Amino acid sequence: SYVLTQPPSVSVAPGQTATVTCGGDNIRSKSVHWYQQKSGQAPVLVVHDDSDRPSGIPERFSGSNVGNTATLTISRVEAGDEADYYCQVWDTSSDHPGVFGSGTKVTVL
Amino acid sequence: QVQLVQSGAEVKKPGASVQVSCKASGYTLTNYGITWVRQAPGQGLEWMGWISAHNGYTNNAQNLQGRVTMTTDTSTNTAHMELRSLRSDDAAVYYCARATAVTGTPFYYFDHWGQGTLVTVSS
Repeated sequence: SYVLTQPPSVSVAPGQTATVTCGGDNIRSKSVHWYQQKSGQAPVLVVHDDSDRPSGIPERFSGSNVGNTATLTISRVEAGDEADYYCQVWDTSSDHPGVFGSGTKVTVL
Repeated sequence: QVQLVQSGAEVKKPGASVQVSCKASGYTLTNYGITWVRQAPGQGLEWMGWISAHNGYTNNAQNLQGRVTMTTDTSTNTAHMELRSLRSDDAAVYYCARATAVTGTPFYYFDHWGQGTLVTVSS
């Protein structure tokens, strides 16, 4: 089945920019979605279809999908952004279409 | 507003079955799918499967084939997930989520989530 690769952790100072990557074979051909999961809470969708934000998600969250890497960018990071972030695709060529990355812990210093 | 409210925590013995329910409100169940995701303690998200609330079509993760059944009851706007022959490594928080298709494509993302149901497996 399809594999998504994320770095285990990213550290960032408040006010700076955090970049979370998600790699996969020919990922540019897929729609990539991103979820934020704070400790003890259910995941929340923060970006869908590579770069679209659901209503209520701050503009500080943005996404891109170029080449073999999709990227979630969090600008002007705040303490409240500390969470695990997961990328996800739907692989229609597989009999296991729902795929999550392993997750990236974003720590705000 | 869209809400998914799941049933409460369960404690089961190895070999038993567990059913988790997920009651949807604020939208028409049959216009979307429901996906189930679980998360073992300290681990990442694991996709379990998906059901179309429109026609009942399901697609389950290979590693759960034969042990999991997903259904929807449109009369009560509720989705159900049953996992059988429980093992210790099935202990996890189980989430339901609404599955929405990217416009014009068969690709799904999960835009609203339930609060999670803790399933403990212990003898």
